[in-house]
Amino acid sequence: NAGVTQTPKFRVLKTGQSMTLLCAQDMNHEYMYWYRQDPGMGLRLIHYSVGEGTTAKGEVPDGYNVSRLKKQNFLLGLESAAPSQTSVYFCASSYSTGNQPQHFGDGTRLSIL
Amino acid sequence: RKEVEQDPGPFNVPEGATVAFNCTYSNSASQSFFWYRQDCRKEPKLLMSVYSSGNEDGRFTAQLNRASQYISLLIRDSKLSDSATYLCVEGEGNTPLVFGKGTRLSVIA
Repeated sequence: NAGVTQTPKFRVLKTGQSMTLLCAQDMNHEYMYWYRQDPGMGLRLIHYSVGEGTTAKGEVPDGYNVSRLKKQNFLLGLESAAPSQTSVYFCASSYSTGNQPQHFGDGTRLSIL
Repeated sequence: RKEVEQDPGPFNVPEGATVAFNCTYSNSASQSFFWYRQDCRKEPKLLMSVYSSGNEDGRFTAQLNRASQYISLLIRDSKLSDSATYLCVEGEGNTPLVFGKGTRLSVIA
């Protein structure tokens, strides 16, 4: 059972570079989410999607873009990476939003130099 | 803005002890509640859902007090492997779940 899979697991970027983080789920979940987690800050929601072709802003969307072209995939893009975006990024998915638990991938550790 | 407040800890307890965490939530319309466990440098994992009538899963008991808007987690007979951060989570309708920042537990031999 793969569940939620994130790629890559680790990445180091230089300021100004761009990259895309991929999240894939095989549970046929409608809803998918991207979070960042910094030391002492807890999880902060970046963007989420309530279904294929839809996206919505979370708590900290600036500097990120997302796309949900296929139900099983949710992509997070950094157009011009900044050191402030150094963080651990978690993807999650769920059957619905407020009533069902979310299932998390094992994270992407991103460092921006 | 919806918020879930937790004591960050750390709670340092000896093996075999009973420990309890509370968290408070601000949204009186919240309908669903969960406890997650997060190990250091790992992803959060669902520990248990919290039902209105309370629920128990082995050494873990979760309670919901809607009148006072708080949720509790009781861990009995603590094990070294229980050392982790415990996240309190609330949800309502069609909005994403709201996660607390977590309470850190350290069980000491």
